[in-house]
Amino acid sequence: AQSVTQLDSQVPVFEEAPVELRCNYSSSVSVYLFWYVQYPNQGLQLLLKYLSGSTLVKGINGFEAEFNKSQTSFHLRKPSVHISDTAEYFCAVLTGGGNKLTFGTGTQLKVEL
Amino acid sequence: DAGVIQSPRHEVTEMGQEVTLRCKPISGHDYLFWYRQTMMRGLELLIYFNNNVPIDDSGMPEDRFSAKMPNASFSTLKIQPSEPRDSAVYFCASGFPYEQYFGPGTRLTVT
Repeated sequence: AQSVTQLDSQVPVFEEAPVELRCNYSSSVSVYLFWYVQYPNQGLQLLLKYLSGSTLVKGINGFEAEFNKSQTSFHLRKPSVHISDTAEYFCAVLTGGGNKLTFGTGTQLKVEL
Repeated sequence: DAGVIQSPRHEVTEMGQEVTLRCKPISGHDYLFWYRQTMMRGLELLIYFNNNVPIDDSGMPEDRFSAKMPNASFSTLKIQPSEPRDSAVYFCASGFPYEQYFGPGTRLTVT
């Protein structure tokens, strides 16, 4: 069975500072990895995904993530955050051949002035 | 495209009543997913359809829950009878397993 761990439930950061949101997964087979963002009172929106190829994946709003197979990680990064990035971020995994996403518990990113 | 449409956006009902949540997926999407989000359990997949056919309903909590997709442009999630522990935000998503588009959700409160 696959699982996703987001160790940080909340991450406060000042505007224009860099941020990294951590995600680790466990799976015995090949995986596809995703980051979704949820703004208050809205549905989830796909930020980026890793399916194959380059391990550095670029997404919307200046976010990027790096797939590290040896460390079973898929951390999300942004070099300079904006107030509008305040939201909850979910890491998710899909095993090869499967159709069901497994989500982490989410990380609340709070950007302060 | 208007995106995934869900109705109602908010529903308050009394325990024991029937609740029906509705979803209109994005045209052309083959898959439709129903999720439930709570503080305690996070995001859970309840059921998903492929080409209007239910594929996996192992996430449906109990027989009180049922879902249908009579055609490619409409799906319902029904709870009968509702209980306070069903209070949650219910999301519908369409697309493909590797690229899902979520609706705005229905916030259900059962008193």
